[in-house]
Amino acid sequence: EPEVTQTPSHQVTQMGQEVILRCVPISNHLYFYWYRQILGQKVEFLVSFYNNEISEKSEIFDDQFSVERPDGSNFTLKIRSTKLEDSAMYFCASSTLVGSGYTFGSGTRLTVV
Amino acid sequence: AQSVTQLDSQVPVFEEAPVELRCNYSSSVSVYLFWYVQYPNQGLQLLLKYLSGSTLVKGINGFEAEFNKSQTSFHLRKPSVHISDTAEYFCAVSGTGGFKTIFGAGTRLFVKA
Repeated sequence: EPEVTQTPSHQVTQMGQEVILRCVPISNHLYFYWYRQILGQKVEFLVSFYNNEISEKSEIFDDQFSVERPDGSNFTLKIRSTKLEDSAMYFCASSTLVGSGYTFGSGTRLTVV
Repeated sequence: AQSVTQLDSQVPVFEEAPVELRCNYSSSVSVYLFWYVQYPNQGLQLLLKYLSGSTLVKGINGFEAEFNKSQTSFHLRKPSVHISDTAEYFCAVSGTGGFKTIFGAGTRLFVKA
């Protein structure tokens, strides 16, 4: 069964450093997403991406965040200057259509120290 | 905007007993509804979805859910649970015209032998 692949599974970074989280969505999916889950809290929407541009973003997704699809397979989330409160599990997801339901990756646990 | 309320944070149940996990939503527009399951240290997996049509939807692993528009509910049920069903279950909603999905806080199902 096709799956969404995320790397790394765990990343530790110092406050103020830049991090890039990587995702390989399912190849025939058209819509891509990043969500995060702070420990013990809800799964929160960050951003959706379609047709090589951001289609929707949340208030969490400020200027410190950016997404890119640099080639036909990768989808990345960059955090420019990490803060302690960015520590969370970050999930990438993809879907064929809006409303079709997501396929999630296993997540990257980001720890900012 | 949409919101989701999962009425129980934890549900303990004995193996082979039936279970219902409750979910209520609010939205000013038509919605799609989803249930996802998250096993420890894994991403979220789509259990089932309601897009339109029959209000009773069947998903994987013997789960089903019923969409009740008048009560704005989408409760998840299984007639007989297994130990392996122990996991966190998330109800989610998206507007039919939007890109993002809003997740509930989750219900931890704990199946006891």
